[in-house]
Amino acid sequence: QKEVEQNSGPLSVPEGAIASLNCTYSDRGSQSFFWYRQYSGKSPELIMSIYSNGDKEDGRFTAQLNKASQYVSLLIRDSQPSDSATYLCAVTESGGYQKVTFGTGTKLQVIP
Amino acid sequence: ETGVTQTPRHLVMGMTNKKSLKCEQHLGHNAMYWYKQSAKKPLELMFVYNFKEQTENNSVPSRFSPECPNSSHLFLHLHTLQPEDSALYLCASSQDMGTNQPQHFGDGTRLSIL
Repeated sequence: QKEVEQNSGPLSVPEGAIASLNCTYSDRGSQSFFWYRQYSGKSPELIMSIYSNGDKEDGRFTAQLNKASQYVSLLIRDSQPSDSATYLCAVTESGGYQKVTFGTGTKLQVIP
Repeated sequence: ETGVTQTPRHLVMGMTNKKSLKCEQHLGHNAMYWYKQSAKKPLELMFVYNFKEQTENNSVPSRFSPECPNSSHLFLHLHTLQPEDSALYLCASSQDMGTNQPQHFGDGTRLSIL
């Protein structure tokens, strides 16, 4: 059973701080990793994808991947109240075709 | 319209009713998915269609019946559901089944079974 683990939170950070969201996965052969943001009552929205070890930056968001440790993280710089949402980590299973396993999500609260 | 559109947004039905959920994507994608999202649980993949052909049925009870008439439309037919089937049902699409293709989600149908 492939697993994706996230701390459910809530993770509370003050406005302007860096929020760090973490995710571990069990399938060592996983190739693709995604972060989705889900506001309450809304659908998941893709915010970052990462495929190789290292960091990937997009605006205030940085995704970090360490395949040896089976660990992927999302950093949000200069956190804003509008960033308050649940962040879902998604990992594509190995096997050559798309089957994605989602974590339960981490709820982020940015305090003004 | 753009993106992935789901209708209805909310649905309340009795256990003996028959209803259908509809999903339409305007992204030119070839793969479409149905997910179930329950409180405190990760997204559960239900069905996958690639170029209109079903490629995955994740041990879903037969009271859920998918239909994919073309690459842009996906339906989920519901009959004799149980209270535990109350959840948010999400449709998603991706360009194809490649592992590096992200999925794009619709806003979901909030289903309540009386």
